Amino acid sequence: AQSVAQPEDQVNVAEGNPLTVKCTYSVSGNPYLFWYVQYPNRGLQFLLKYITGDNLVKGSYGFEAEFNKSQTSFHLKKPSALVSDSALYFCAVRDGWGGGADGLTFGKGTHLIIQP
Amino acid sequence: EAGVAQSPRYKIIEKRQSVAFWCNPISGHATLYWYQQILGQGPKLLIQFQNNGVVDDSQLPKDRFSAERLKGVDSTLKIQPAKLEDSAVYLCASSLEQGGFGTQYFGPGTRLTVL
Repeated sequence: AQSVAQPEDQVNVAEGNPLTVKCTYSVSGNPYLFWYVQYPNRGLQFLLKYITGDNLVKGSYGFEAEFNKSQTSFHLKKPSALVSDSALYFCAVRDGWGGGADGLTFGKGTHLIIQP
Repeated sequence: EAGVAQSPRYKIIEKRQSVAFWCNPISGHATLYWYQQILGQGPKLLIQFQNNGVVDDSQLPKDRFSAERLKGVDSTLKIQPAKLEDSAVYLCASSLEQGGFGTQYFGPGTRLTVL
């Protein structure tokens, strides 16, 4: 079975400071990892994904994430936070050995609050 | 490019009533998913279609939930009869690529309230 843990319910960061949203995962095979963002009353928007290759993945809106196989982590980062980054962030995983069934398993989400 | 469309956006029903949700995926996307997102939780997969065939429905409560994608494009998800615990946002997603590495694009969701 696959699982995702987002250990922080909420992360508070001052505008202009770097931000990190943590994610750890568990899968049997090779992990496919995703980050999504959700704004109020809207669906999930794709930010970035790791499938294979470079451990540092760059995505939308200046976000990036670092895949660490030994620590089974995929933390989301941004060098300089904006107030508009305030939203709910979800980490998701899919086992690369899942065959045709490739639905994502999501974490419970982390509220990111950027203070002006 | 148009995104994933869902309707209705909001629905309020009494318990034991039935309800249906509709999803139109991004044009050309063969894979379609339905997720349930309960307040305070991450989305949970209910069912995955590849064209008009079911790939995974292992987490679908089949005694009350059903879904179909008859022509391999639009899909409907039905609940009959609804229970209080079905109150959630129902998200539809679609993907172009197969094999799990494809990006899933989500619609705005349907918020269901069961009274």
